[in-house]
Amino acid sequence: EPEVTQTPSHQVTQMGQEVILRCVPISNHLYFYWYRQILGQKVEFLVSFYNNEISEKSEIFDDQFSVERPDGSNFTLKIRSTKLEDSAMYFCASSVVSGRYNEQFFGPGTRLTVL
Amino acid sequence: GNSVTQMEGPVTLSEEAFLTINCTYTATGYPSLFWYVQYPGEGLQLLLKATKADDKGSNKGFEATYRKETTSFHLEKGSVQVSDSAVYFCALSEGGQGGSEKLVFGKGTKLTVNP
Repeated sequence: EPEVTQTPSHQVTQMGQEVILRCVPISNHLYFYWYRQILGQKVEFLVSFYNNEISEKSEIFDDQFSVERPDGSNFTLKIRSTKLEDSAMYFCASSVVSGRYNEQFFGPGTRLTVL
Repeated sequence: GNSVTQMEGPVTLSEEAFLTINCTYTATGYPSLFWYVQYPGEGLQLLLKATKADDKGSNKGFEATYRKETTSFHLEKGSVQVSDSAVYFCALSEGGQGGSEKLVFGKGTKLTVNP
């Protein structure tokens, strides 16, 4: 069964360093998403992406964050200069179409630890 | 903005016990409602959904009914199994810009079922 994959499963970095989190969405899906969950808090929407551009982004998704789909299969989230408060579980999701009935398929997440 | 509140965990039950996990929502429009489940080491998986008032979503013995009058979507199962041990997330979809459909999640409720 097709699934969304994410690498790495755990990333440890020093404050101020750049990190790139990678996701491989399901191959025929067209909409891509990043969410994050800070320990003990809610899963929060970061950004959605369609047709090679950002569809929507949350207030969390500031200039330190960027997304791209560099090669038609990977979908990446870059954090340019990590802060302690960026420590969280980051989930990638994809869906074949959009709309209120549509299911988003999630990856297993990348745990980011910023020291 | 829209929000989801679900009962705090953890919840610990014996096998064959009845399960209820409460979920209430705040929304300005008519969102779709979802329950996602996360098994250890895996991504979020859609468990069930309901797209309009009085709809009942069901899957794997779990049920939830979209109650507009009480703005609730409580998850129930008549007889839980050890394999149901997981974290359960209530979520709603709200219309996104550019056709995307972001999800708004509750904090998650960890369920442990003992033999």
